[in-house]
Amino acid sequence: DAKTTQPNSMESNEEEPVHLPCNHSTISGTDYIHWYRQLPSQGPEYVIHGLTSNVNNRMASLAIAEDRKSSTLILHRATLRDAAVYYCTPSGGGADGLTFGKGTHLIIQP
Amino acid sequence: AAGVIQSPRHLIKEKRETATLKCYPIPRHDTVYWYQQGPGQDPQFLISFYEKMQSDKGSIPDRFSAQQFSDYHSELNMSSLELGDSALYFCASSFVNEQFFGPGTRLTVL
Repeated sequence: DAKTTQPNSMESNEEEPVHLPCNHSTISGTDYIHWYRQLPSQGPEYVIHGLTSNVNNRMASLAIAEDRKSSTLILHRATLRDAAVYYCTPSGGGADGLTFGKGTHLIIQP
Repeated sequence: AAGVIQSPRHLIKEKRETATLKCYPIPRHDTVYWYQQGPGQDPQFLISFYEKMQSDKGSIPDRFSAQQFSDYHSELNMSSLELGDSALYFCASSFVNEQFFGPGTRLTVL
């Protein structure tokens, strides 16, 4: 499994953009980059995933470096409900289990 | 929209007892995953099933076993329970890439 490195915590103000970085320098060529988040007392929640190209969905954007060794999750306008632990996890997809490393605890200030 | 159902939501057992956790995936999802999250820890992948066959295996103890049935629901059987097995157990299901997590079963071993 590819090792990931994320900041332990980040803080942002409400309604401002947030950029959450992840380093996954040992990612294999066929692994997707998945991002999940976990709100307090809840199960993890899918945010976004990508392979090589940048991706957008209703929740966030994912910017993937050209060499795929890092990626950045972008929340365009953070709200208080975005306060959670964010995990990036390279995975082959399909029935492969996800490896959750030490994610980033995102704190949103009102 | 239908979500992943887990039962029971809470379970208290004594050391050396057995426990069975159940997971009902979202309709038409063919893959089920089990994760364990200890207090203050990140989720750890245990095992997954695709079309009723074991697909991927993580750090699942030999005392634990799991299976997926013909109706796609899954059960995690845990024997000779130890204090260290106290954790939140999440089940997730998927059809393609995105894993949808259930609310979890909180197991307390006394």
